Amino acid sequence: SYGVTQPLSVSVAQGQTATITCGGDNIGGLHVHWYQQKPGQAPVVVIYSDRFRPSGVPERFSGSNSGNTATLTITRAQLGDEADYYCQVWDTTTGVFGGGTKLTVL
Amino acid sequence: EVQLLESGGGSVQPGESLTLSCATSGFTFTSYALSWVRRAPGKGLEWVSSFNGGREGRTYYADSVKGRFTVSRDTSKNTLYLQMDALTADDTAVYYCAKHPQQLIGTSWFDPWGQGTQVTVSS
Repeated sequence: SYGVTQPLSVSVAQGQTATITCGGDNIGGLHVHWYQQKPGQAPVVVIYSDRFRPSGVPERFSGSNSGNTATLTITRAQLGDEADYYCQVWDTTTGVFGGGTKLTVL
Repeated sequence: EVQLLESGGGSVQPGESLTLSCATSGFTFTSYALSWVRRAPGKGLEWVSSFNGGREGRTYYADSVKGRFTVSRDTSKNTLYLQMDALTADDTAVYYCAKHPQQLIGTSWFDPWGQGTQVTVSS
């Protein structure tokens, strides 16, 4: 079965750029989606299909996907960006989530 | 506005059954795929099951629940269900219902999500 790997945690200073990776075998050939989940809340999609941002998601959020790594980038990080972030792909008809990355904004 | 409202969670003993419901509104129910995703305490998100839209609506399951969980829908009530049998402690989680932006799960994403319902399996 297909697996994707995320770092357990990422820290970033306020106003700086956070980068969260999602690694998988030739993940560049798949569509990668990213979700943000804050404590006590349901997940929210922040990037879909590698690089598209839903309406309402700040332009500070962007995504890329190539080779064996997909990346979620958050520029000008804010305290409100603190959350767990998950990447997600489909292995044919099986949904696969990364283990999640806890983003801490210092 | 699309709304998804889960219900039916609760506390049960190992081996027992529980059925979750996801009442939907704000979209044409049969035109979109729907899924169940869970998050166990201290763990990450885990895809559980999906139901394609359309007349036939094929279903899909994670290996961890295959043979124990059954997803179904009632088009007259615009409601998705998850029947969970032979529950174990490993099934303890918040269960979310989520909509897809298209009829088939394909390569699509989950948006939006319901608020979730807690399932606790403990003796």
